[in-house]
Amino acid sequence: SQTIHQWPATLVQPVGSPLSLECTVEGTSNPNLYWYRQAAGRGLQLLFYSVGIGQISSEVPQNLSASRPQDRQFILSSKKLLLSDSGFYLCAWGSGRANEQFFGPGTRLTVL
Amino acid sequence: AQSVSQHNHHVILSEAASLELGCNYSYGGTVNLFWYVQYPGQHLQLLLKYFSGDPLVKGIKGFEAEFIKSKFSFNLRKPSVQWSDTAEYFCALTTGNQFYFGTGTSLTVIP
Repeated sequence: SQTIHQWPATLVQPVGSPLSLECTVEGTSNPNLYWYRQAAGRGLQLLFYSVGIGQISSEVPQNLSASRPQDRQFILSSKKLLLSDSGFYLCAWGSGRANEQFFGPGTRLTVL
Repeated sequence: AQSVSQHNHHVILSEAASLELGCNYSYGGTVNLFWYVQYPGQHLQLLLKYFSGDPLVKGIKGFEAEFIKSKFSFNLRKPSVQWSDTAEYFCALTTGNQFYFGTGTSLTVIP
């Protein structure tokens, strides 16, 4: 069966520091991969999605970037974190006829 | 642009009450619609989905939703809620590679 992993689970970083969040998927090949940010009262905001290695689409201009170095690996990065980058980051992979989303456990990022 | 609206931000019900959570979307073409649920401390998980065919779809835990194309709606219903239904509920649509989520409705069920 397919599983999706995210790490770290929680992260506290100072403003201006770099960021690297990792997401890996097991049990499927060539999945569509997604990064979302979940904020209270604002639902899930799609940040990036990828349909293949090296292919990244950005939905919202911001201080973050994404990369897909391998088929089942998706990385969310920042060179310099801002306070506004704090939030809960979810990775998901899409499958099937309607690209149904399967979510990872998430990373809680606090920028101080 | 595509969008999903959930107008009920926070709903409080007593056990055994009936539930209906509203979801409206904005898109002129063919859509696939979903309801996801996030129980406290757990992953987001799929509750039910609509692709085509019968507009009344049934999901897990007694939930159902009705797709009304003329109203651009996909409301979630349950005849009798339980305390364990306390969670956050998200409506979503996809038109291809991209997914669009509503802002979510927080449901609190009082025993």
